[in-house]
Amino acid sequence: DSGVTQTPKHLITATGQRVTLRCSPRSGDLSVYWYQQSLDQGLQFLIQYYNGEERAKGNILERFSAQQFPDLHSELNLSSLELGDSALYFCASSEGLAQETQYFGPGTRLLVL
Amino acid sequence: GENVEQHPSTLSVQEGDSAVIKCTYSDSASNYFPWYKQELGKGPQLIIDIRSNVGEKKDQRIAVTLNKTAKHFSLHITETQPEDSAVYFCAAMWSNFGNEKLTFGTGTRLTIIP
Repeated sequence: DSGVTQTPKHLITATGQRVTLRCSPRSGDLSVYWYQQSLDQGLQFLIQYYNGEERAKGNILERFSAQQFPDLHSELNLSSLELGDSALYFCASSEGLAQETQYFGPGTRLLVL
Repeated sequence: GENVEQHPSTLSVQEGDSAVIKCTYSDSASNYFPWYKQELGKGPQLIIDIRSNVGEKKDQRIAVTLNKTAKHFSLHITETQPEDSAVYFCAAMWSNFGNEKLTFGTGTRLTIIP
């Protein structure tokens, strides 16, 4: 158990809908990262937050957004969902900036029908 | 940006034998190289990592080697056991204070044959 929690574990929704994925980092960790894992793309970095502020962006679509709250939990919002958004979404956390070791949560499996 | 290539994509090894997974990276500024193990239905779990100022690191049956000149690093698992069966990912990170991105390889599915 990494100490990172994610909810929900599974999510089934329809195209065009909007969903919110939630992540709680390990106790004391200030950085949160979001990743998308699909069969054909592997693990892709989406976005990083540190202590409430956006720090780095990867291959995140404009339809996706994220935020980190004062209690350090983070939410990833996916809107106007398409079939191709079906994937595993992982959250990871680390102690702070320039802290390379990232600990991953168990993921949220999203299925868009 | 950084590009990480990982080989092989699948690997079957007899129990007790050794397994080797290799990765190459493109950005010579990358300075941190973790390896993750992902079991079915779970998130990636860090198993070992190495920084660019070290050539080799060992933790029981697992070792990682890094060749900065050639820009490649490898995972070695000795005396393999059935519980080693999983997907393994290498990754490379370029880290500058406040700006760090982890780029993953495409994964190796390791199967240990009893």
